Amino acid sequence: ELKVEQNPLFLSMQEGKNYTIYCNYSTTSDRLYWYRQDPGKSLESLFVLLSNGAVKQEGRLMASLDTKARLSTLHITAAVHDLSATYFCAVTYGGATNKLIFGTGTLLAVQP
Amino acid sequence: EAGVTQSPTHLIKTRGQQATLRCSPISGHTSVYWYQQALGLGLQFLLWYDEGEERNRGNFPPRFSGRQFPNYSSELNVNALELEDSALYLCASSFNALGPYNEQFFGPGTRLTVL
Repeated sequence: ELKVEQNPLFLSMQEGKNYTIYCNYSTTSDRLYWYRQDPGKSLESLFVLLSNGAVKQEGRLMASLDTKARLSTLHITAAVHDLSATYFCAVTYGGATNKLIFGTGTLLAVQP
Repeated sequence: EAGVTQSPTHLIKTRGQQATLRCSPISGHTSVYWYQQALGLGLQFLLWYDEGEERNRGNFPPRFSGRQFPNYSSELNVNALELEDSALYLCASSFNALGPYNEQFFGPGTRLTVL
């Protein structure tokens, strides 16, 4: 069965610093998503990555996908406090199903 | 355009009772998904409905069930509630799941507390 692993689980960083969250998945999938979740809130879609080598950027966040390595990264540039949240990657479980398999989530705390 | 809506926002029940959660998808979306986010267990897929039919279910007992109505809204029913059913239940919707534009958009969630 498809498994999705994220690391780190918790990331405390200072404002202005750069860091990367990693998402590994165990079997072939045709798309990968990154979501943001604020405490007690729902999931906000950040990126949809559809093909090998795909790179998308929005503000201080940039996501990339390497389907051969089954790896996606979410890079944070010059972090600000407003980026504090939990970030999830999710992969569709292929074929005729469309269920999302989520990673464990990375709790990001940006300290002033 | 309105997003996915869910009701109620919060629901408090006692063990053994039944809970009913409701979801209205984005207009034009025919697929509805339910996910459970329980403390310590992460986000887990529960059910997927498309065009009124249950298409797939996750690894949950049969007391978790639901349906999709002709207007594509959906209900999730949880019978014989147990303490570990306490969680945030998220509903998502998408266009036809087998098509190319099947990104899922999530609602605000229903927080179910079982006492």
